[in-house]
Amino acid sequence: AQRVTQPEKLLSVFKGAPVELKCNYSYSGSPELFWYVQYSRQRLQLLLRHISRESIKGFTADLNKGETSFHLKKPFAQEEDSAMYYCALSGNTGNQFYFGTGTSLTVIP
Amino acid sequence: GAGVSQTPSNKVTEKGKYVELRCDPISGHTALYWYRQSLGQGPEFLIYFQGTGAADDSGLPNDRFFAVRPEGSVSTLKIQRTERGDSAVYLCASSLRTGAYTGELFFGEGSRLTVL
Repeated sequence: AQRVTQPEKLLSVFKGAPVELKCNYSYSGSPELFWYVQYSRQRLQLLLRHISRESIKGFTADLNKGETSFHLKKPFAQEEDSAMYYCALSGNTGNQFYFGTGTSLTVIP
Repeated sequence: GAGVSQTPSNKVTEKGKYVELRCDPISGHTALYWYRQSLGQGPEFLIYFQGTGAADDSGLPNDRFFAVRPEGSVSTLKIQRTERGDSAVYLCASSLRTGAYTGELFFGEGSRLTVL
């Protein structure tokens, strides 16, 4: 069963425009949600996690349990935000991390 | 180095051959994960180790795949009788996980396997 859905494979926005990368999940229980990012020629790395409730590089994500969503948002996109973004879920036991298929974000100068 | 190290970075083999992929996690990280990433897909969970034992191997696709972590540090993913469909990037990640708390996953750069 698909546990993490990222409906957009590709997303392009202009520099300075707001950006939202969508993520919906399916899981019974209390999952932990994460966003991971992979910049060009770099390894996959953590961007943020919902329990931290932090803003990282201007990005925020709020866990909406009613809509089972964890969308990633940034009010003003920058060129350096261009990357592949993966939404991920960790289940009750934390044994598995389920990743979405990813969204490739391109910020147009 | 301080990060997760994976070798080889690239491996080309012929169908039917045996392959080993190695992962050296961050020192002190008790949890180790293997993922497989095919083109255009997200990382697909294969197996999770807590210490020396495989706590969850439910993601291994079939019995041709096996992984070990004999001393609780370095892990080796072993693939027997490789098939063309095994071609993918194999990612390893480690974390300082304690109990039910899921620590941040630190990923290696991956091993790209191509089966001809």
